[in-house]
Amino acid sequence: ETGVTQSPTHLIKTRGQQVTLRCSSQSGHNTVSWYQQALGQGPQFIFQYYREEENGRGNFPPRFSGLQFPNYSSELNVNALELDDSALYLCASSLAGAFLAMNTEAFFGQGTRLTVV
Amino acid sequence: AQTVTQSQPEMSVQEAETVTLSCTYDTSENNYYLFWYKQPPSRQMILVIRQEAYKQQNATENRFSVNFQKAAKSFSLKISDSQLGDTAMYFCAFMKRSNSNSGYALNFGKGTSLLVTP
Repeated sequence: ETGVTQSPTHLIKTRGQQVTLRCSSQSGHNTVSWYQQALGQGPQFIFQYYREEENGRGNFPPRFSGLQFPNYSSELNVNALELDDSALYLCASSLAGAFLAMNTEAFFGQGTRLTVV
Repeated sequence: AQTVTQSQPEMSVQEAETVTLSCTYDTSENNYYLFWYKQPPSRQMILVIRQEAYKQQNATENRFSVNFQKAAKSFSLKISDSQLGDTAMYFCAFMKRSNSNSGYALNFGKGTSLLVTP
């Protein structure tokens, strides 16, 4: 167990709806990254938060947004859900200095399986 | 562009045997880190091993070792004495920045599904 917990574990939503996924990072970790893993693919980087500020973003549209709270837990929000948003959403926490360095180990949660119908 | 390629979608190995998973990558960076992550059916990504490009010595972690060929941009994972618990998806990954002002995030390959049989 990594100490990173995600909720809910499974979720079914209708196209056009909005969804919020939650991540509780490992104790003491100040950086959270979110990834989308479509079926049969590797995870794709969505964005990263460091000390409550967005610290990097992958190639995802603005309807994917996030928050990080003072206790370093995080939310991923997706508006106007599309069928292609169906995927496993992974959260990873890390302990960063100035910001996440290239050798920092990321600790992953078990993910939220989102199905959009 | 920085990409990671895993050319073996599926592999199978018998218990106690050795298997090698391949990975190639493309980058213009001079120093970087490469990683192998394991994703069992429980879905949780677990770090298996990591390699710094500046280190010529190949990384090893118990039964897991890598063959890092920097000039060829190749980073293969060797699993010795395979165990049933090694059955999982294995992802090769590369740390990259989304822009010059951001931190690093993992760039994953598509993965190799490894099945260890009795």
